[in-house]
Amino acid sequence: EAQVTQNPRYLITVTGKKLTVTCSQNMNHEYMSWYRQDPGLGLRQIYYSMNVEVTDKGDVPEGYKVSRKEKRNFPLILESPSPNQTSLYFCASSFSGTVNYEQYFGPGTRLTVT
Amino acid sequence: GENVEQHPSTLSVQEGDSAVIKCTYSDSASNYFPWYKQELGKGPQLIIDIRSNVGEKKDQRIAVTLNKTAKHFSLHITETQPEDSAVYFCAARTPLDSNYQLIWGAGTKLIIKP
Repeated sequence: EAQVTQNPRYLITVTGKKLTVTCSQNMNHEYMSWYRQDPGLGLRQIYYSMNVEVTDKGDVPEGYKVSRKEKRNFPLILESPSPNQTSLYFCASSFSGTVNYEQYFGPGTRLTVT
Repeated sequence: GENVEQHPSTLSVQEGDSAVIKCTYSDSASNYFPWYKQELGKGPQLIIDIRSNVGEKKDQRIAVTLNKTAKHFSLHITETQPEDSAVYFCAARTPLDSNYQLIWGAGTKLIIKP
């Protein structure tokens, strides 16, 4: 089954404790992206990757890191989480980032930072 | 850069009635306008999209219209059913954007009353 998986689905952590949210897709997609979803703000892009070893900032990259060492994986790293990073996070992938292809979203990771 | 506004933020309609969600965009160069549906506990999923060379597109009970002059596009759902209850997001993309990213509306929570 073609899908985007994220882990964990729920995470409660404390300020300053490094964490990683994993994202994996099995569709051989070139483009991958991370979004955060907050009430009233819709989806805001954090980082995206056009292909392996090619990543770039989205609209709200502060406090986040990403890497794309393999085509299928695109982990989101919070080196020192803060309460304002409490949010619902989505990973998405698409066949290409330069053409208007459908984005496939993972099920989301709800992060709470206390 | 592009900005997308979506209205209303919440829409409640009687089962069987029609629902209309509207979005406006700011960049006249935008040429791709998808609509995504997010069911509770899931990631958004593409339901219909339209390109700037088309004025209207239909797929069974859903349709999207685009008015390039006024820079707005709308999602129309006819004969609404309980399974239409969800959050709907519009988005726009401009080919001139070096980030190749979609710009998202804030979302509309659609409630279908039995």
